[in-house]
Amino acid sequence: NAGVTQTPKFRILKIGQSMTLQCTQDMNHNYMYWYRQDPGMGLKLIYYSVGAGITDKGEVPNGYNVSRSTTEDFPLRLELAAPSQTSVYFCASSYQGGYGISNQPQHFGDGTRLSIL
Amino acid sequence: DQQVKQNSPSLSVQEGRISILNCDYTNSMFDYFLWYKKYPAEGPTFLISISSIKDKNEDGRFTVFLNKSAKHLSLHIVPSQPGDSAVYFCAAIAGNKLVFGAGTILRVKS
Repeated sequence: NAGVTQTPKFRILKIGQSMTLQCTQDMNHNYMYWYRQDPGMGLKLIYYSVGAGITDKGEVPNGYNVSRSTTEDFPLRLELAAPSQTSVYFCASSYQGGYGISNQPQHFGDGTRLSIL
Repeated sequence: DQQVKQNSPSLSVQEGRISILNCDYTNSMFDYFLWYKKYPAEGPTFLISISSIKDKNEDGRFTVFLNKSAKHLSLHIVPSQPGDSAVYFCAAIAGNKLVFGAGTILRVKS
């Protein structure tokens, strides 16, 4: 079972460069999420999607863009990388449940460690 | 504005004893709470959850208690095992808001 797969695992970017963090899931989950985790902090929600073609902002969306063209894939785009975006990024997925953000358990990928220098 | 706080950065427990991890929240609109465990270099994994209409939920060695009046929840692990050593996050949901605590590092000594 692949679950949630994130690529790449590590990346170093220069300030101003752009990149796309890839996330794919094979559990046919409606909901997908992107988080960032800074050292000593909890996960902060960047964007989430409740289904193909539908995305919404989380707590810290500035500097990021997302799209959801298929159920399986939910890429996260950084257009102009800044040092403040150095973090570990986690993608997750879940079944639908509750109102708004799903209350169903989320399945996480192993993260992408991104450094911007 | 930390709406979900885990005030103990770390906790050390002897194998076989009880581990109690605490979480406080400030937003009374939170209606669902979850606990996740995280090992180094891996993503978090779901442990247990509780709805605000309940005060206790149990799953094997893991029990979550919710005290709504105190805006406090706790995770009890009995008995603790060395494999439980990890970072534990509590998370709270209210509509389209989802907030994680900063985590507590649990070390179970054998």
